[in-house]
Amino acid sequence: GNSVTQMEGPVTLSEEAFLTINCTYTATGYPSLFWYVQYPGEGLQLLLKATKADDKGSNKGFEATYRKETTSFHLEKGSVQVSDSAVYFCALRSQAAGNKLTFGGGTRVLVKP
Amino acid sequence: KAGVTQTPRYLIKTRGQQVTLSCSPISGHRSVSWYQQTPGQGLQFLFEYFSETQRNKGNFPGRFSGRQFSNSRSEMNVSTLELGDSALYLCASMDGQGTNSPLHFGNGTRLTVT
Repeated sequence: GNSVTQMEGPVTLSEEAFLTINCTYTATGYPSLFWYVQYPGEGLQLLLKATKADDKGSNKGFEATYRKETTSFHLEKGSVQVSDSAVYFCALRSQAAGNKLTFGGGTRVLVKP
Repeated sequence: KAGVTQTPRYLIKTRGQQVTLSCSPISGHRSVSWYQQTPGQGLQFLFEYFSETQRNKGNFPGRFSGRQFSNSRSEMNVSTLELGDSALYLCASMDGQGTNSPLHFGNGTRLTVT
């Protein structure tokens, strides 16, 4: 079956620091990969996606590249802001598994001024 | 375009009661999925509906059920509530059928069972 493993948090950074959140996956078939972000008291917001190998998803300064050879989809941002403090979820979906989203456990990020 | 709307935002129920949660998808979206979020189990898939038919189901007991109406709005019902059902229930809608289409989530309904 499908599974997603991401680094446990919390990750605490200073403003303008570089952020990396590791995500690896196991999947049946050819999955699409997603990063979602959850701010306190809210639902999940799609941050970026990649649908095939070597695709790079990007949004709001965040980037992630679909690496099929290492089954990874690490999230990066070059210079974080306090407003980036949130919980980040890596997720995948494959037709072979019925199109449901399989999530990682989430990584809490705290950015200090 | 309005986002996914879930009502109510908060619910407090007693063990043994039943509860119904409501979800209005983004206009034009025909697929609605439900997820349960808890600190211990994380985000888990409950079920998906497309054009009023359940298309996929997760590993939850039969106490959890859902339905979708002709206008794509969906409801989720939990009967005989248990303390462990306390969670954030998230609804998501999608406008396509393939794996490339992203899910758009609502802000959730926070259910507390006492």
